[in-house]
Amino acid sequence: SQQGEEDPQALSIQEGENATMNCSYKTSINNLQWYRQNSGRGLVHLILIRSNEREKHSGRLRVTLDTSKKSSSLLITASRAADTASYFCATEEDSSYKLIFGSGTRLLVRP
Amino acid sequence: DTEVTQTPKHLVMGMTNKKSLKCEQHMGHRAMYWYKQKAKKPPELMFVYSYEKLSINESVPSRFSPECPNSSLLNLHLHALQPEDSALYLCASSRVEGRYEKLFFGSGTQLSVL
Repeated sequence: SQQGEEDPQALSIQEGENATMNCSYKTSINNLQWYRQNSGRGLVHLILIRSNEREKHSGRLRVTLDTSKKSSSLLITASRAADTASYFCATEEDSSYKLIFGSGTRLLVRP
Repeated sequence: DTEVTQTPKHLVMGMTNKKSLKCEQHMGHRAMYWYKQKAKKPPELMFVYSYEKLSINESVPSRFSPECPNSSLLNLHLHALQPEDSALYLCASSRVEGRYEKLFFGSGTQLSVL
């Protein structure tokens, strides 16, 4: 099953620009996580935001959460070619180990 | 050691073959997972083991058979697969951070069924 949708599906930007990805989900959540995946590789955990938080920062990453709209956004500032990857949001159903991923955004950062 | 190691990295098998995917972690994590990922799609949960016991089976066909011999190892036995089972199979383990499970993924096994 898939928890939510991400948009855009694909995003191409120039190095140095900011990249914004959006995630919508369907059920109530305890937290929302963002993961990154390089092509054909495993996923790497980037950042988690709890349901009682509205914004969180980690380095060049900024995550927002709007529980009333059931949506989250991931902003990558001053992007680099090495940021080229797929980005997935993920939510956990009832703290049950059941982590469900959104559809993902494929980001291309052009040098 | 902060790695989840999966072997093999690539596997090609016929529909009558029996093969196994292996996953290993030495981080003392209590939960281990199998995910299946088709190209340009998100990972889909297949199985979860918690304390070496199967806790979640997402209605996966019986041609996929998981096994957790001990807390560090997770296998996925494959038998009579179909071409549509070709995908990237990802293993993960997790530890509790606060009130959530933080997952650590292996690099996956790219499986092709001919």
